[in-house]
Amino acid sequence: AQSVSQHNHHVILSEAASLELGCNYSYGGTVNLFWYVQYPGQHLQLLLKYFSGDPLVKGIKGFEAEFIKSKFSFNLRKPSVQWSDTAEYFCAVNAVKGAQKLVFGQGTRLTINP
Amino acid sequence: GAGVSQSPSNKVTEKGKDVELRCDPISGHTALYWYRQRLGQGLEFLIYFQGNSAPDKSGLPSDRFSAERTGESVSTLTIQRTQQEDSAVYLCASSWTPGGIQPQHFGDGTRLSIL
Repeated sequence: AQSVSQHNHHVILSEAASLELGCNYSYGGTVNLFWYVQYPGQHLQLLLKYFSGDPLVKGIKGFEAEFIKSKFSFNLRKPSVQWSDTAEYFCAVNAVKGAQKLVFGQGTRLTINP
Repeated sequence: GAGVSQSPSNKVTEKGKDVELRCDPISGHTALYWYRQRLGQGLEFLIYFQGNSAPDKSGLPSDRFSAERTGESVSTLTIQRTQQEDSAVYLCASSWTPGGIQPQHFGDGTRLSIL
């Protein structure tokens, strides 16, 4: 069975700090990888996705993530965070073949202090 | 509509009552998913519909949970004889095609509270 682990439950940073949120998954086959974001009072939105090709993917709002197959990781990064990045971030995977469901990590709450 | 629409946005009910939650997917989306998010936890998959195929019910936690979808339109999730552990936000998502080729678009969810 697939599983996703997000190591940080709550991260607090100051504006302009660099960000890296960890995500590791467990699955024996080929996966698609996603980061979703939920801003306060809003619905989940797709931040970025990896299907194949270049393992470094760029998403909206200056976010990027790197797929490291050997480490089963898909960490999210941003070089300089803003107060508006305060939100909850979810890493998710689904299998390329087989079940179409997304398997989510527990989420990381990010608080940016101005 | 422009996005996935869910109703009601909030539902408070007494233990033992039945509840019905509704999801209107984005027009033209063939795949529809239900997830549950308990407080402080990630999203748990419940059920998946794809066109007229048999749904994937592998995530339903008990036989008190059921869901229906007619064609590629509205879906309803029904919870019978609700229990306090059913309290959660129930999220619906839809996509053009199943799987990861097209990402899932989420609704705002229904916050269900069982007293």
